[in-house]
Amino acid sequence: AQSVSQHNHHVILSEAASLELGCNYSYGGTVNLFWYVQYPGQHLQLLLKYFSGDPLVKGIKGFEAEFIKSKFSFNLRKPSVQWSDTAEYFCAGTPYGNNRLAFGKGNQVVVIP
Amino acid sequence: DVKVTQSSRYLVKRTGEKVFLECVQDMDHENMFWYRQDPGLGLRLIYFSYDVKMKEKGDIPEGYSVSREKKERFSLILESASTNQTSMYLCASSLESVMNTEAFFGQGTRLTVV
Repeated sequence: AQSVSQHNHHVILSEAASLELGCNYSYGGTVNLFWYVQYPGQHLQLLLKYFSGDPLVKGIKGFEAEFIKSKFSFNLRKPSVQWSDTAEYFCAGTPYGNNRLAFGKGNQVVVIP
Repeated sequence: DVKVTQSSRYLVKRTGEKVFLECVQDMDHENMFWYRQDPGLGLRLIYFSYDVKMKEKGDIPEGYSVSREKKERFSLILESASTNQTSMYLCASSLESVMNTEAFFGQGTRLTVV
């Protein structure tokens, strides 16, 4: 069963446009949530993570994500994308106390200069 | 910095061969993972190990086995390689923690079975 789901697999947008990628999870209770990025030819890197506390999480390269418990969501945002943001983005999560990390299917994002 | 090293970037094997993919991490992490990555399917967990000699099946364990004899090393074994196992294989590790379950990834091994 898919514990983490992502929508709109392919996203194409122009530089300076805003980006929002959706992520929903199906765990009950406390969760740990992550966004990872994979640039072309590179390994997976952590963009940001949420464990507890402030639901608005800021990550590297101007990305942020908001944890909304009532909606079981952890959407990723960037107000103004650059060509260098072209990559595949993965949402991932683990339920509290369980280290088994599950991933969504990913979003392929292409930014046109 | 955490380093997760996979022994090969690219491998080409014949159908029916026994294939070993090796992964080593240098941060004394308890947990290690093997995923396969396929376009449109994301990362799917094959096996998970939470301690030496301990393992748990992931979502797609069929056709694979694993070995963890030492804490730093986690091997994925394809008992008899088939063409549908052509894929990118990713190894990861993480601390055993209630709160911080961030995983660190290797560069991946692109396996082609012909």
